Amino acid sequence: GAVVSQHPSRVICKSGTSVKIECRSLDFQATTMFWYRQFPKQSLMLMATSNEGSKATYEQGVEKDKFLINHASLTLSTLTVTSAHPEDSSFYICSARDRRKFSTDTQYFGPGTRLTVL
Amino acid sequence: DQQVKQNSPSLSVQEGRISILNCDYTNSMFDYFLWYKKYPAEGPTFLISISSIKDKNEDGRFTVFLNKSAKHLSLHIVPSQPGDSAVYFCAAHNQGGKLIFGQGTELSVKP
Repeated sequence: GAVVSQHPSRVICKSGTSVKIECRSLDFQATTMFWYRQFPKQSLMLMATSNEGSKATYEQGVEKDKFLINHASLTLSTLTVTSAHPEDSSFYICSARDRRKFSTDTQYFGPGTRLTVL
Repeated sequence: DQQVKQNSPSLSVQEGRISILNCDYTNSMFDYFLWYKKYPAEGPTFLISISSIKDKNEDGRFTVFLNKSAKHLSLHIVPSQPGDSAVYFCAAHNQGGKLIFGQGTELSVKP
């Protein structure tokens, strides 16, 4: 089956530093990747949609200058949390849509990255 | 504005019995609904889906029912097994290609 990886799986950083999270589709090409954030006991909230070779589309209320997204290739998207603060601590999950498939259930999720900002 | 709601944060069921997880939505323009299973510290995995033009979809022990007039869908798991214990998310697909998730229901299947 389709595999999506995320790196790192867990990161702890000091307030004010920037953290980069990578999302890779391992055995398929993804023209579209999505970034979600999940707070404890809450829903997955879509942050942005990332299309290969173009600028990401951010959801309302998500600061694009704080959450930088780069989708430079068909298998890699990165999310950089700039000047992280404790309120950015969360579980970040990416998903990738297989470009060969057009049904709506072909959005494959990564294992997530736990970010803790001290 | 929570467009997809799972009002039960948790559900406990005995092994072998039926588990019924519920989901309500507000947007009649959603064209597809999906259920995902999620373990702690892992990403969601796709379980089953249903198109808005259908009212039932079955896959093994899992059946999803859609009631469009009530804007309600449910996931039935029968018989429930201890390995089914996880958080289940309902998601709706909008015409912009995005998934809108509910808050999740934590299912515990007791032996």
